Amino acid sequence: QVQLQESGPGLVKPSETLSLTCTVSGVSLSRNYWTWIRQPPGKGLQWIGYISYSGSTNYDPSLKSRVTISLDTSKNQFSLRLSSVTAADTAVYYCARDHGDHGDDSWFDPWGPGTLVTVSS
Amino acid sequence: QSVLTQPPSVSGAPGQRVTISCTGTSSNIGANYDVHWYQQLPGTAPKLLIYVNNNRPSGVPDRFSGSKSGTSASLAITGLQAEDEADYYCQSYDSSLSGSVFGGGTKLTVL
Repeated sequence: QVQLQESGPGLVKPSETLSLTCTVSGVSLSRNYWTWIRQPPGKGLQWIGYISYSGSTNYDPSLKSRVTISLDTSKNQFSLRLSSVTAADTAVYYCARDHGDHGDDSWFDPWGPGTLVTVSS
Repeated sequence: QSVLTQPPSVSGAPGQRVTISCTGTSSNIGANYDVHWYQQLPGTAPKLLIYVNNNRPSGVPDRFSGSKSGTSASLAITGLQAEDEADYYCQSYDSSLSGSVFGGGTKLTVL
C-alpha cells in the first residue's frame, strides 16, 4: 500500500523559504512522477509542480521563479522549497503520487494527509 | 479564478441523482486532455474518485460516473447518500500553462 506523509515547519516568516518533505512508503521513488499541490484556507486546489523519477521538473508558471522540487531516492523522499514567501502562500500543502508518464496525462493518487503552513511574523 | 469552471454548489435529496459540470477551453479539455475527479470530505485530503474521464479506482462505488464531451466534463452521482456531502474537484492539463489545472470546486449538499 502506497502512503505519503508531509513534514516540515508549520510557521514560516515572510520573505523566508518554506521547506517541506514528503516521505513515501510502499513504492520506490524511481517509479512514477511526484507532485506538490496546495490549498489556501477555505479555497480550492492549486497544482505547484512535479518531479519525475529521472529528476526532470515542471512548475506552475505563477510560482516557477520561487519553487524547487527535488528527489532523495536514498531516503525515498521528495521535497518542496518555496522562497520569498508571503501571507498568500499560507495553505495546506499536499504531496501526491502522479500517475502521468510525460506530464500532460497526470492524475494524483494517493495523497498525503497534508500539512498546514502559515506565513506570519 | 480557476482555469476549469465548476458550479460553486449543488444539492440533492437522498436517493436522487446530481451532476457536477466542469467547463474548460480549447487548451485543456477541448484539446482532448483527460479529466479526473476528486472528492474532499471535510477536514481531509482529496481522494481520487474518477480517472481518465470515466474510470473508477478500486473501492469507489459505481454510483459515481464521469463523462467528457467537447470542452466539458461531468461527474454524476446517483442514489445520493448523506456521506456523499463533500467538495468535488475536476482536474486536467492545460497546454497554454504547460501544467495541471483544477476546477474551483463544487460543494455538494445532501438535503
